[in-house]
This record gives sequence, structure tokens and C-alpha cells, in this order.
Amino acid sequence: QQQVKQSPQSLIVQKGGISIINCAYENTAFDYFPWYQQFPGKGPALLIAIRPDVSEKKEGRFTISFNKSAKQFSLHIMDSQPGDSATYFCAASMEYGNKLVFGAGTILRVKS
Amino acid sequence: NAGVTQTPKFRILKIGQSMTLQCTQDMNHNYMYWYRQDPGMGLKLIYYSVGAGITDKGEVPNGYNVSRSTTEDFPLRLELAAPSQTSVYFCASSLSRGSGYGYTFGSGTRLTVV
Repeated sequence: QQQVKQSPQSLIVQKGGISIINCAYENTAFDYFPWYQQFPGKGPALLIAIRPDVSEKKEGRFTISFNKSAKQFSLHIMDSQPGDSATYFCAASMEYGNKLVFGAGTILRVKS
Repeated sequence: NAGVTQTPKFRILKIGQSMTLQCTQDMNHNYMYWYRQDPGMGLKLIYYSVGAGITDKGEVPNGYNVSRSTTEDFPLRLELAAPSQTSVYFCASSLSRGSGYGYTFGSGTRLTVV
């Protein structure tokens, strides 16, 4: 069973703080690890993605850290803002972006 | 450019009824997907298609059927609706294998079976 385990289920962070969401996987054939952001009533939207040959990728306030040996990856949101309040999903794919397997999601609330 | 369009947005079905969830995309994407989203469970793949005329099962296909007669459309059919099919359904598309561009999702269909 291909699985991606995501934690925590929910997270409350103060404005300006760092939000950290973690994911772990078992299948070493996964070759693409994206994060999706979902606002209420909307479909998920691609936030940032990484391939296993890179240990870190940064886009603005969002950073993916990837540890291939531990089979873990995480999303860091720096200077968290109330507008970042959403559900975040990690995912993985064996086909470089197709047939994604999703984690269970993390509900982030940023308090102002 | 509309992206991925899903209809209807909401629907209540009675047990045993059937319905079709519509999905269309205007980005000329080859790959299309149907996922269901349940609270605390993430998104589970129901069916996917790699091009017109080609479909395959995902992780949770039981109780559903799909067809792909055109590149643009990928309808999901529910036969004999059951309460376990109460969920939010998302259609998504992506360019092609190896693109790494990620999915474009529709806004979802919230289905309740009573």
C-alpha cells in the first residue's frame, strides 16, 4: 500500500511564527513530492514541489526540506500570516507528478 | 481560460439512485483524475485517464465508473448510490507523464447520499 503519513492533523500558530508540517513515506520509488494548499470550498492548489535529488527548495516564505535517507519531507512556512490559514496536503508520485498519493492533510490556523 | 470545471457543486441523492458528476478541462491536458475527499482522510484516487479512450482504476474504484471519449471531458458515474459515497469529489488534470507541473483541480462536488 502506497502511503504518505502527515502530521500534525491541526496546527495553530501565532502571526509571524513558523508553521511546520511533516510527512513520511515508505515507497523509495516516489520521485516527486508536492505540497498543496486548500481553502474552504475550493480545490487544492499546487504550492511548492521538490524532487529527491534536492534537499531543500524555497519559494518566498515557503520551504520544503527533504531527507531522502529518513524518507521524510516537511513544509516550513516562515512569518506565517492569517491568510495562510488553510488545509495543507503533502503528496508523492512515482511518475513525476502523475497519480499522486496524498497525505491526510493538516488544518493550519494562524492567529492574528 | 476556465481550467477544470465541475458540475454540479452540490447534490443530494437517495440511496439507490444514480448520477453523473461532470468534469471538463480546457487546457488540453492528457491526464485526468477523480479523487474523493473525506475528513481526516486526505484525497483518495478513484479513477484516472491518460488520454481519450484510456481509463484505469485508482485506489477506491468500487461503486464508480468513468469514460473518456474526448480529451476535455471525464465524467464520473455513480450507480446505486450508497451512504458511504457521501463525500466531496474533485476532478483534476495534468499535462502529461513526466511534466512535474502538478495538478489543476476543479472546485469540487459535494455529494450527500441519504
